[in-house]
Amino acid sequence: KQEVTQIPAALSVPEGENLVLNCSFTDSAIYNLQWFRQDPGKGLTSLLLIQSSQREQTSGRLNASLDKSSGRSTLYIAASQPGDSATYLCAVRDKFYFGSGTKLNVKP
Amino acid sequence: EPEVTQTPSHQVTQMGQEVILRCVPISNHLYFYWYRQILGQKVEFLVSFYNNEISEKSEIFDDQFSVERPDGSNFTLKIRSTKLEDSAMYFCASSGEGQGYEQYFGPGTRLTVT
Repeated sequence: KQEVTQIPAALSVPEGENLVLNCSFTDSAIYNLQWFRQDPGKGLTSLLLIQSSQREQTSGRLNASLDKSSGRSTLYIAASQPGDSATYLCAVRDKFYFGSGTKLNVKP
Repeated sequence: EPEVTQTPSHQVTQMGQEVILRCVPISNHLYFYWYRQILGQKVEFLVSFYNNEISEKSEIFDDQFSVERPDGSNFTLKIRSTKLEDSAMYFCASSGEGQGYEQYFGPGTRLTVT
């Protein structure tokens, strides 16, 4: 069974810092990997999707990479802002497995 | 921008009662999903639906659960006889063909079973 792990579980950084969130998965036979953000009590907002044949995707200050062979993905957030504070989830699709998330707090 | 909507936002029900959670997926999407998130836990996949059929389901999705697309716009999740442990946030999602089947989530329905 696929296991998805996200490290760290929580992260607190000052505004302006660049940061990296990690996602690892045990079975490399994935169809795609999707990063989401979840605000407290709210739904999930899709940030980036990387298909299994791709190595990275970029959207604004976000860059996500995928290394299927090592079972890893990273989400890089440049120049963090207080509005980036949320829980970030990764999900792998073979059978739709989610990680438990990284709770990010960006301090003004 | 098109979005997935869900009603109600919060449902309180007594144990043993039937509940129906409703979702309106993005209009040109063909794939529909239900997930749940118990407070403080991971988001868990329940079921996927395509072409008026269940395409995949998890072990959570037992005989107490059913899904339906009663018309061209709605997608529903029914829980026949709710249990206390069904209390969770239920998310609907949809995806289209292309763009890697990127999933778009609704805001969720918080189900509280008393």
